[in-house]
Amino acid sequence: ETGVTQTPRHLVMGMTNKKSLKCEQHLGHNAMYWYKQSAKKPLELMFVYSLEERVENNSVPSRFSPECPNSSHLFLHLHTLQPEDSALYLCASSQDRFHSQYNEQFFGPGTRLTVL
Amino acid sequence: QQPVQSPQAVILREGEDAVINCSSSKALYSVHWYRQKHGEAPVFLMILLKGGEQKGHEKISASFNEKKQQSSLYLTASQLSYSGTYFCGTEMEEDTDKLIFGTGTRLQVFP
Repeated sequence: ETGVTQTPRHLVMGMTNKKSLKCEQHLGHNAMYWYKQSAKKPLELMFVYSLEERVENNSVPSRFSPECPNSSHLFLHLHTLQPEDSALYLCASSQDRFHSQYNEQFFGPGTRLTVL
Repeated sequence: QQPVQSPQAVILREGEDAVINCSSSKALYSVHWYRQKHGEAPVFLMILLKGGEQKGHEKISASFNEKKQQSSLYLTASQLSYSGTYFCGTEMEEDTDKLIFGTGTRLQVFP
């Protein structure tokens, strides 16, 4: 595998379910990100991890819980979601956090989440 | 804080040029440009830093006007492969380490 991979690619869950999204990067990067992309809305940054430490929590509801066990893996644990949480969830990684001209982000293909 | 992109949509014939603008009401440190094709992940195009030079990527280039807090993406002699949604992401001077994306500009190139 190369680049950034995400599983599952599609997920349908009820409001009372608990599920997890997984992201893995094979680029040796130090920073990883979760974004939410809804129809007709801009990409919304949710969480930023740098060297496995959470450095940004962009006012995300507690029903979304991130986990970064090591620099290559990032999870997003979901529980008691709402229908408005249906969206494409994108994971990305970069060599380091922002504030650098070398900080291009590499995105995974995303998980299309539908909450019923 | 969210940057404003214009236009919202562009339709071109192959070989035509286009300009996409990204404006902020706050002082910017950097502007990032990405392209996302339908059903695919966003792909990095370029980063422009405050005080930096205009950048180019094949026939796609961009500039950063610090006085106007605006960046422009120039697509020259467009190709079918340029179709997609273009996003700018801005990093503000007062709050670096956070990239805020605009709503995107949808570009369609026809033969």
